[in-house]
Amino acid sequence: DVKVTQSSRYLVKRTGEKVFLECVQDMDHENMFWYRQDPGLGLRLIYFSYDVKMKEKGDIPEGYSVSREKKERFSLILESASTNQTSMYLCASSPIRADYSPLHFGNGTRLTVT
Amino acid sequence: KNEVEQSPQNLTAQEGEFITINCSYSVGISALHWLQQHPGGGIVSLFMLSSGKKKHGRLIATINIQEKHSSLHITASHPRDSAVYICAVNSGGGADGLTFGKGTHLIIQP
Repeated sequence: DVKVTQSSRYLVKRTGEKVFLECVQDMDHENMFWYRQDPGLGLRLIYFSYDVKMKEKGDIPEGYSVSREKKERFSLILESASTNQTSMYLCASSPIRADYSPLHFGNGTRLTVT
Repeated sequence: KNEVEQSPQNLTAQEGEFITINCSYSVGISALHWLQQHPGGGIVSLFMLSSGKKKHGRLIATINIQEKHSSLHITASHPRDSAVYICAVNSGGGADGLTFGKGTHLIIQP
């Protein structure tokens, strides 16, 4: 069974801090994704990656960056956290032919920025 | 960009009832996903379909490509089915092309 692990379930950070959210998958998937989920807005794509060292902006990349140095790990970085980045963050992975394969999600990280 | 609408937004039902959640989209797709999210956050993929009907246990998903509409049915509903159900469509071009609905919050009362 595919396992997508996010390093923290809950995180509280102060405004201006640099925040790292880590995601690891164990099924050798090429595609990895970071979403944020907010009430009334649904899931929105922040960044995705099709391969090691590759990254592409999603719908709402502002204020975020990502790193994919190894195939199994995809990190989301908040360079200077702000209160409007308080949200649920979800990582997902899928094999390369994602049109024909479901996404596998982690359990999410609920980030609060005070 | 595809517009995905789910209805209802919220649904409360009694245990044993037959449940239907609807999803409509505006642009042709290559695949449609139904996802389940329990309180606490984790999301599980229930179905991925591009035509016809799929069944898994008490859950049935159907899609009508011509009408751009899909339904998720739950038979003999149970309190453990209480969750948020999310529809997502892939308009082609890879998994980054997924567009998500806002979800349907289902509560099954004993």
